[in-house]
Amino acid sequence: QSVLTQPPSVSAAPGQKVTISCSGSSSNIGRTYVSWYQQLPGTAPKVLIYDNYKRPSEISDRFSGSKSGTSATLGITGLQTGDEADYFCGTWDSSLSAWVFGGGTKVTVL
Amino acid sequence: QVQLEQSGAEVREPGSSVKVSCKASGGTFSSDRIHWVRQAPGQGLEWMGRITPILGVPNYAQNFQGRVTITADRSTSTAYMDVSSLRSEDTAIYYCTREGEWQEFNNWGQGTLVTVSS
Repeated sequence: QSVLTQPPSVSAAPGQKVTISCSGSSSNIGRTYVSWYQQLPGTAPKVLIYDNYKRPSEISDRFSGSKSGTSATLGITGLQTGDEADYFCGTWDSSLSAWVFGGGTKVTVL
Repeated sequence: QVQLEQSGAEVREPGSSVKVSCKASGGTFSSDRIHWVRQAPGQGLEWMGRITPILGVPNYAQNFQGRVTITADRSTSTAYMDVSSLRSEDTAIYYCTREGEWQEFNNWGQGTLVTVSS
């Protein structure tokens, strides 16, 4: 059971938009920065979003992040087959004094 | 650009221990915060602990307290993660990752597969 809650899977047709939610609490998401990671099959995770909504320069603007209260959301627009991957949210939990991840969401392009 | 190079795959018997290394290049290793994260087959990411080499004091996830030791050698810019009393459930890919300014994990090693089997 992960401290952060994500839906196990989301899917949409090419070109469509998907959103992935990440629900936490006042000791983690409600308190500090959230980051999002993409993990393509057989590879190490890669940061997509940091500081809740910022993108590294090499990340497409099709990816966006937001945070409200104790929840965060990752959005992917213009869905492509190359976006099929697992996506994880993560942040520091001040009560646990530990980094926590969501359980991961598998994105499928129909 | 910081790069993290991890040691190769390992096979261990239950009850034994394993030490995985993570060599950093292109950054300021001593002041960086290096974390270890593992991923069991078909599962999500699990945080194990972290260390800031210049401080030398590690922090561990509660699940790994007493069984995991994280160290760092500033002279070789290498971090290490030692897991003892291995059991089959420790079979996983172990990643080292570097923490950025906004607490994000912005550099990752390629991962080290540790297989625990008799």
